[in-house]
Amino acid sequence: GESVGLHLPTLSVQEGDNSIINCAYSNSASDYFIWYKQESGKGPQFIIDIRSNMDKRQGQRVTVLLNKTVKHLSLQIAATQPGDSAVYFCAEKGSGYSTLTFGKGTMLLVSP
Amino acid sequence: EPEVTQTPSHQVTQMGQEVILRCVPISNHLYFYWYRQILGQKVEFLVSFYNNEISEKSEIFDDQFSVERPDGSNFTLKIRSTKLEDSAMYFCASSESVGTGNQPQHFGDGTRLSIL
Repeated sequence: GESVGLHLPTLSVQEGDNSIINCAYSNSASDYFIWYKQESGKGPQFIIDIRSNMDKRQGQRVTVLLNKTVKHLSLQIAATQPGDSAVYFCAEKGSGYSTLTFGKGTMLLVSP
Repeated sequence: EPEVTQTPSHQVTQMGQEVILRCVPISNHLYFYWYRQILGQKVEFLVSFYNNEISEKSEIFDDQFSVERPDGSNFTLKIRSTKLEDSAMYFCASSESVGTGNQPQHFGDGTRLSIL
């Protein structure tokens, strides 16, 4: 079946570093992708999204890159802060459907 | 900033009992969803709801599950006869639109359901 997965289960960085979290997806029909941040005891919090007709989108301190050729999605966080420590999920949505399929998540640990 | 709210935050129920999880989606949103997350696992889709009917559901959403929008603000998930394996965090989400006008789904903080 189709699936979304993450390469690294845990990423440890120093405060001020740039972080890159990667995600591989296998459904070539997916047309919409979202990155979520989940802190302990809370629900997924929307960070940034990107549609399949784009390859890059920037937000505040975050950038999402989409490479449809290799079905790869990444989240870049600039000047990572301790408050960025959380689990990050990528999620994809198939064309014409409402369902989000989530990846397994990457734990980002930021040391002061 | 508007948010999705869920109650209760924690529900403990005996196996075989019925449970109702409640959600108040963001007020101008039209699409509503339930997801679940078993401890340590990824978030899994259960059901989506639009225009007072189910638009999609997963294999997890069997006959024991039902959803309802009883009034203009609440969206509920009912599990008729709970099983041990129903223990999970249940997240409600809502979005303005889907399809070509994709808008992100916004999630509540979940209800932790513990089946004894």
